Amino acid sequence: GAVVSQHPSWVICKSGTSVKIECRSLDFQATTMFWYRQFPKQSLMLMATSNEGSKATYEQGVEKDKFLINHASLTLSTLTVTSAHPEDSSFYICSARGRGGKTEAFFGQGTRLTVV
Amino acid sequence: GESVGLHLPTLSVQEGDNSIINCAYSNSASDYFIWYKQESGKGPQFIIDIRSNMDKRQGQRVTVLLNKTVKHLSLQIAATQPGDSAVYFCAENMVGSWGKLQFGAGTQVVVTP
Repeated sequence: GAVVSQHPSWVICKSGTSVKIECRSLDFQATTMFWYRQFPKQSLMLMATSNEGSKATYEQGVEKDKFLINHASLTLSTLTVTSAHPEDSSFYICSARGRGGKTEAFFGQGTRLTVV
Repeated sequence: GESVGLHLPTLSVQEGDNSIINCAYSNSASDYFIWYKQESGKGPQFIIDIRSNMDKRQGQRVTVLLNKTVKHLSLQIAATQPGDSAVYFCAENMVGSWGKLQFGAGTQVVVTP
């Protein structure tokens, strides 16, 4: 399968600061990337869909000004958690799919964010 | 099993036995389903998928069954091994957006020796 890499794998930041998480497709061009959030012992919840070169589409209840998504190239999408608070501490996971009508989405390894 | 809340249902299985993990999905129009395995601190790992025009699909040691009438999926793991210990999620592809997934609640599988 194709490889999707997230960076960093884990990050600790202070309350009020911003954190950027990168999602890269290493061996294919990702026209669409998806960002999920997962709290401990819970399922993955879709936050937003990002298409290369256009604005992200956010799921209901997800603050677009707090979770900034940029998908400026076919191999990179970034999620920036702005003014992070302890309740934003979570596991953030991206997936990426390539061109074509029905192509599988491949997941990154996730980023553990801890806000202190 | 399904769970709403802050804890995952747990399936305890003896090594060598077969495991059956169940999942209910929400949208009768969904036409593509996937089972994922997630180990602690890692992203989901694809196990097997099935399209809505099938009711059964087999892989290596795994079988997925789809019952569209009651919107139910199951994953069967044959001869469960210690390495199968993980959380298992079913996911349905949201209609109209390929790759956009809605995940089920998840089941923690614990394999005992």
